Amino acid sequence: AQKITQTQPGMFVQEKEAVTLDCTYDTSDPSYGLFWYKQPSSGEMIFLIYQGSYDQQNATEGRYSLNFQKARKSANLVISASQLGDSAMYFCAMREYQFYFGTGTSLTVIP
Amino acid sequence: GAVVSQHPSWVICKSGTSVKIECRSLDFQATTMFWYRQFPKQSLMLMATSNEGSKATYEQGVEKDKFLINHASLTLSTLTVTSAHPEDSSFYICSASIPVPGSLAERETQYFGPGTRLLVL
Repeated sequence: AQKITQTQPGMFVQEKEAVTLDCTYDTSDPSYGLFWYKQPSSGEMIFLIYQGSYDQQNATEGRYSLNFQKARKSANLVISASQLGDSAMYFCAMREYQFYFGTGTSLTVIP
Repeated sequence: GAVVSQHPSWVICKSGTSVKIECRSLDFQATTMFWYRQFPKQSLMLMATSNEGSKATYEQGVEKDKFLINHASLTLSTLTVTSAHPEDSSFYICSASIPVPGSLAERETQYFGPGTRLLVL
């Protein structure tokens, strides 16, 4: 079974609008970490946000927030006030010991 | 700023040659580093876990004799693609975690190097 599932291969959003990128995960381990990374065309993987499985509150980092629904095993990324520079691939990842990555979502911000 | 560096960023080589890629942790010691490869428009695939002072742990399907990993020091891991062929052309990325004393491994964020694009002609 897939450890991380990202069902949206591509997304479009109007500049200044908010967008939600979906991520579901599969684990039987009670302790795990959830991460979102951004990969622009340059290829570098840029860490955006982290959520621990025991964290009670949803993580937020500037314009990024993680909508963590533990019972549903989902960890959606919300980007508020989209900017043109947000256009990139976005990967959801889970760490038990090693990292598992989703297949990614390509986000395009439209001016 | 970047916490993990990789060198070279680009390499083009002839089929049959060997290519060495370096991954360095900057300003911190990384007992464990990870090596990934990524094909265009695909996700990252873990190749191996590099452990300082011991042999690397390879993922299923990754040829250890072809992808040699050496974790020579607490700040340097190298990946050598031996006898490279065109099908080895890919984007190779390393990562390392900044250790946090007392933390669980799953809480440690992995920081990635900028990647190395390998093209084998």
